[in-house]
Amino acid sequence: ETGVTQTPRHLVMGMTNKKSLKCEQHLGHNAMYWYKQSAKKPLELMFVYSLEERVENNSVPSRFSPECPNSSHLFLHLHTLQPEDSALYLCASSQDLKGGAFFGQGTRLTVV
Amino acid sequence: SQQGEEDPQALSIQEGENATMNCSYKTSINNLQWYRQNSGRGLVHLILIRSNEREKHSGRLRVTLDTSKKSSSLLITASRAADTASYFCATDANSKLTFGKGITLSVRP
Repeated sequence: ETGVTQTPRHLVMGMTNKKSLKCEQHLGHNAMYWYKQSAKKPLELMFVYSLEERVENNSVPSRFSPECPNSSHLFLHLHTLQPEDSALYLCASSQDLKGGAFFGQGTRLTVV
Repeated sequence: SQQGEEDPQALSIQEGENATMNCSYKTSINNLQWYRQNSGRGLVHLILIRSNEREKHSGRLRVTLDTSKKSSSLLITASRAADTASYFCATDANSKLTFGKGITLSVRP
């Protein structure tokens, strides 16, 4: 256990569905991240939040919408996804923007 | 754009041997980090080395950093079957972590 919990672990959704991924950290960290991991590609940084403010949006399509209601929770809202969005979505947190990151176990997303 | 690039892409060794993995990067960094990922799971932070450090140890792990060559190496000594995983280097530049594609390490019992 890294102290970062993601739910659900697996998700299958149709292209017209709306779903949300949840991430929770109990480490007292100030920064939280969403990453996308696709087969044979480097981990892609999607969003960065620091003290609940979004500080990075890495040219992510608007069908992915992050939300950080407080420093312990991070959501990724999904709507009208494409099959190529199928991937492992990883949440991470760190004390600040310069330290090592603690990752959750990820949500394996399949878009059908 | 990809910052860290690991080498080799895959490594297979016998239990007890040492494993050396390399990472090269392109721009100035604040620090460099190594992570491990078991199949289909989240990444686990192994070690962080700052740009003003040259070598760091943690248990069986030894990390070096050569900022003049923009490269780092991760050495795992006395490897175990449980070390079988993917290993990633990540560079921290401007408070943004950029990962390489990873190295697949297989340790044969």
